[in-house]
Formats: sequence, C-alpha cells, structure tokens
Amino acid sequence: GESVGLHLPTLSVQEGDNSIINCAYSNSASDYFIWYKQESGKGPQFIIDIRSNMDKRQGQRVTVLLNKTVKHLSLQIAATQPGDSAVYFCAEINIRSARQLTFGSGTQLTVLP
Amino acid sequence: ETGVTQTPRHLVMGMTNKKSLKCEQHLGHNAMYWYKQSAKKPLELMFVYNFKEQTENNSVPSRFSPECPNSSHLFLHLHTLQPEDSALYLCASSQDLARGNEQYFGPGTRLTVT
Repeated sequence: GESVGLHLPTLSVQEGDNSIINCAYSNSASDYFIWYKQESGKGPQFIIDIRSNMDKRQGQRVTVLLNKTVKHLSLQIAATQPGDSAVYFCAEINIRSARQLTFGSGTQLTVLP
Repeated sequence: ETGVTQTPRHLVMGMTNKKSLKCEQHLGHNAMYWYKQSAKKPLELMFVYNFKEQTENNSVPSRFSPECPNSSHLFLHLHTLQPEDSALYLCASSQDLARGNEQYFGPGTRLTVT
C-alpha cells in the first residue's frame, strides 16, 4: 500500500552542524512532498514543500531534496540550532485526486550543546 | 502562532460523557481538517471540510461527529468514547483543497478518555 516512512526515529547533532533527515515514499503519483516540524506541546508547523517536478528547493537554512528515481526525500538543516530540536515529519499529497496529506511517523531531532 | 486556535487544550472525559472540541482559524482559509495523533503512529486524517461542506470522512466511528458552521470554525463532537480514543486531536486549515500541501495546524487538544 501507499506509505511514507522515515529512515531513523531519532537523530542527534551538535549545535552548529548540518542535519539531514531522510524519508522514503512509495506513491509515485504524489504532487507535493512536505516537511513539518512539531515541537513539544505544539501542532505541526509547515517548513517547506517541493513539487514533484522539482529536485531541490531551498528555504531559510533548510533545503529539501527529492530523488524520484529512488523515491527518497530529505531535509537538510544548515547550522543546526537548539530551537531546531523537534520531531520532523515528511508528508505527501496528490492534489488532483485524493487531496489528503499522508504523514510519515516522524524523526526526533535533538541538538546537542 | 499559526492563526489556528483550539480549545480546550486538555480534556479528560469519561466514556459516557459528551464533549466538544473547537477550532477557529483567522487566516481566511476555506478548507479545514481534523487529525488524530496517537503515540508512535503517524497523523491520521479524520475529516475534511471545504467551503463548509464535508468532503472526506476517513472511516471515522460515529462517536466522532464533526460540524462546520462556517469557514472559520470547526467542531468535533464527542460521545461515548473509548480509552483508545485518547490522543492529540489536531485541527488544520488551508486556503482550499487545491492548496492542501500547505496546511496550518493548531496546537491540538490533548484528550484523555477514562
């Protein structure tokens, strides 16, 4: 069946280092792939998305890479800060048909001082 | 803040109680969503409303009853819940269904069913 999964449930990085969070997906028909950040006690926060016809998109300190050949999505965070500690979810959606966000199970990012 | 508020933030209810969760968005969006977030499970979509009309019900038990009186407000009415319904219930909104890739979430209601 369709699924969106994350490679690792936890990731620890030193403050100032770059972080890479990975995600695998199985639905080739998805139009968008999205990354959300969820801090403790809060709802998920939209970070960045990428259309399926792109392979890279950059935001403020974040870059999302999409490899459709191997159905792999990654989120790179530059110069990781303590405020980046959170659970990161990847999600996918087919805007034209199902129109439902399908979420992965999340990766807990911990930034070490 | 995302412009989506939810009340109450915490709720404890017995299995025979009736309660309601409220969501309000101040973003001028036309699509609203209810999600359930359980421990160690991905977010599960429950209901979708677009321009006040329900467009999706993901096989949610009838003990959960949504209501969308206008594009800014969304309710989830709860009755005769089970302990396994304990979870974080999240509301989200987007400009409309065509912009469902960019959803804004509220802080959630932490529900405990005793």
